[in-house]
Formats: sequence, structure tokens, C-alpha cells
Amino acid sequence: GNSVTQMEGPVTLSEEAFLTINCTYTATGYPSLFWYVQYPGEGLQLLLKATKADDKGSNKGFEATYRKETTSFHLEKGSVQVSDSAVYFCALKSSANAGKSTFGDGTTLTVKP
Amino acid sequence: NAGVTQTPKFQVLKTGQSMTLQCAQDMNHNSMYWYRQDPGMGLRLIYYSASEGTTDKGEVPNGYNVSRLNKREFSLRLESAAPSQTSVYFCASIKEGSGGETQYFGPGTRLLVL
Repeated sequence: GNSVTQMEGPVTLSEEAFLTINCTYTATGYPSLFWYVQYPGEGLQLLLKATKADDKGSNKGFEATYRKETTSFHLEKGSVQVSDSAVYFCALKSSANAGKSTFGDGTTLTVKP
Repeated sequence: NAGVTQTPKFQVLKTGQSMTLQCAQDMNHNSMYWYRQDPGMGLRLIYYSASEGTTDKGEVPNGYNVSRLNKREFSLRLESAAPSQTSVYFCASIKEGSGGETQYFGPGTRLLVL
């Protein structure tokens, strides 16, 4: 079946540091890949997505590239801010699984001033 | 345009009590999902509805029932609550398009079963 493995947290960084959150996946077919962000007390929001190999999703300074050869979709940001503190979820959706999404366990990021 | 709304925001139940979690979307989407989120875990799909009048089981359906009342509303019912159902419940509405899908989540319902 499908699965998503995320880098374990929590991750604590200083403001303006470089961020990488690793995500690897196992899926049948050709899944779409997503990163969601969840701020405290809120629901998940789509951060970025990529629908085919070598696509790069980007939003709000975050980027992730769909790497089929390494089955990865790592999230990066060059300079984090305190306001980026949140929980980040990697997810995939595969048409081979009746379109249902599979989520990773989430990585908590805390950015200190 | 309120997006996805959920009620209630918080609820405390005693074991064996029943309740219905409400979800509504005003984006005219066909598909709606119910997830639960437990500490340190990702979201797990309870039930989903691909269109008005249809519902299907997800990954963890036991102990739950759903009703897709109309295109806007998708409710989740706990007939006899158990402590294992203590969780945060999220409803999502799905926009399908040429660029793939986008899930819009509600703010969640925090449920404690004693």
C-alpha cells in the first residue's frame, strides 16, 4: 500500500536559518505529492504540490521537487521566520488507491528569534 | 465565502453517549472527507463522499457513521462514544481540477471522551 515517511521532529531553528524537512514515499502508479501546513489550533492548509516527476512546487518561499528516482519530496526554505513555526505534513494521492490521500506523521517546526 | 465550517469546536462526552459532528462547505465541491488526527500522527481517513448521495469507508470507519445530506453538508456521527475516539476531527472539501486536487480543511472539532 501507499505510505509516507517524514523526518522526525521536532525541529528547532533560529530565524533566517535554512530549513529542510525530508519526505519519502511508497506508492503504486504515479502519485501527486503535497505539503500541508498546520498552524496551532487550525486545520491543515495546502502549502504546495507537484503532480508529476521533476515538477517543483513553490509557495511563500518554500519549495519541494518531485524526485521519482529517489521517491522523495523534501521541503526546503532558504530563510525561515518565526511565523513559519507550525506542523508540516507531507502527503500523496494516488489514483491507484481510489484517490484517497495518505499523510505522513507531521514534523513540528519551531523558529526562535 | 466561509470555506469549510465545522461545529462544534469542542465537545466532551461520556462513554456511551452519542453525538453528530457537522461540516458544511460553500465552494460547490463534489467530494468531502472526514479525518481524525491523533497526537504525533498524520491524518487518517474515516469516511469520504465522492458526490451527493454517496459515501464510502476510509481507513478507520469503525464506530462512525456518516450522512451526505446534500452537496453542502457532510455529517459524522458517533453512536456510542468510546475513549479511543478522543481525537481532533477534520472535515475537508476537495476541489478537483486540471492541476490536480486541492483539499480545503475546516478548523477541526476537538473531542474528549471520558
